[in-house]
Amino acid sequence: DTGVSQDPRHKITKRGQNVTFRCDPISEHNRLYWYRQTLGQGPEFLTYFQNEAQLEKSRLLSDRFSAERPKGSFSTLEIQRTEQGDSAMYLCASSTGDNQPQHFGDGTRLSIL
Amino acid sequence: KQEVTQIPAALSVPEGENLVLNCSFTDSAIYNLQWFRQDPGKGLTSLLLIQSSQREQTSGRLNASLDKSSGRSTLYIAASQPGDSATYLCAVRDSSYKLIFGSGTRLLVRP
Repeated sequence: DTGVSQDPRHKITKRGQNVTFRCDPISEHNRLYWYRQTLGQGPEFLTYFQNEAQLEKSRLLSDRFSAERPKGSFSTLEIQRTEQGDSAMYLCASSTGDNQPQHFGDGTRLSIL
Repeated sequence: KQEVTQIPAALSVPEGENLVLNCSFTDSAIYNLQWFRQDPGKGLTSLLLIQSSQREQTSGRLNASLDKSSGRSTLYIAASQPGDSATYLCAVRDSSYKLIFGSGTRLLVRP
């Protein structure tokens, strides 16, 4: 059990650029979640996958955000035309079932210049 | 709409003290409640998960209780140590798949 892995750990980019983050869940965890956390706040839900199907998407996720989980393994989160307000920590979590603990990665910290 | 509140926002205690962190939620129709620990710049570490049908869970020096009808949970930390210093977050899972988090309690245990 190597834990949830996220890449990169830090991303600095200019406003208007596109960025993509990757999440590798714990092996055999078929549930995968993306959250966003700003300083001093708890994480806020973005989207949820069960295997390769995206089953829920928050209203926080504007059209500039897209997430995929091809083949039900790793997932990517892409932000197009980044804005200052996108600066945050993006966290990925996985679990084996809806009533099982969610295990989090160390996140990707995004800074928009 | 489910809202989760954690009080206090920050807490400083001397080493060895027993302490209680509080979490309240507005809608009692939850599936489970999870307590996490977060160190600065890091992700969340799962501490305890309590199912809606359970009253408490224990792991080492940690004990979490759940009173669903009153919308409250407490995390009890026995014999606190400097290594316990971190932010503690509680989160509830309602009928959707997501966790809804409080803003956390920042704990400092002084040597």
